[in-house]
Amino acid sequence: DIQMTQSPSSLSASVGDRVTITCRPSQSISGYLNWYQQRPGKAPKLLIYATSNLQSGVPSRFSGSASGTDFTLTITSLQPEDFATYFCQQSYSSLLTFGGGTKVEIK
Amino acid sequence: EVQLVESGGGLVQPGGSLRLSCAASGFTFSSYAMNWVRQAPGKGLEWVSAISSSGGSTSYTDSVKGRFTISRDNSKHTLYLQMNSLSAEDTAVYYCTKSYSTGWAYNWFDFWGQGTLVTVSS
Repeated sequence: DIQMTQSPSSLSASVGDRVTITCRPSQSISGYLNWYQQRPGKAPKLLIYATSNLQSGVPSRFSGSASGTDFTLTITSLQPEDFATYFCQQSYSSLLTFGGGTKVEIK
Repeated sequence: EVQLVESGGGLVQPGGSLRLSCAASGFTFSSYAMNWVRQAPGKGLEWVSAISSSGGSTSYTDSVKGRFTISRDNSKHTLYLQMNSLSAEDTAVYYCTKSYSTGWAYNWFDFWGQGTLVTVSS
């Protein structure tokens, strides 16, 4: 199985901050990397698919990119509704796997 | 509007069985792969199983292989997960998810249900 290492596991930030979350797969996944947001008590929601494509309806302050073996989710100008847990997920393998999650908390 | 509504969760004893259902609406159910993803209390997400749009192909995470069976009835727009030989490690909220295409690889989960809680305890 492809292991997804997500970092950090948690972070504290203030409204208006720029936040970066990283995901590193254990092998090449050819850009098949997706990001989800989960607010407390709610189902996850798709933010970014295939590395850098913004899902319809998701604010443009969210973006995804890749550099080398690492994939990155960036939130520019953090908003109150962005305090949540974020998960990466690979779909290169037919055995799908998620990262461990990053909880974004209010500083 | 796409809707995925799970049902069938509840309390079950270790070694017992449970069948989850997911009623889909708002899209052409038979054209998309479907999945089950679970989340143990306070933990992360774990993909459990997937089924192709036709139902002809399935896949499972290793920990449920041989115990869980995914299936679908395209005429009823419903996804199922038959869970046997349940243990405490299966305690989780189980989410039904829609894939963007007919298969689940090279793809993403574009819609999620609200989940149904399965508790395995004596």
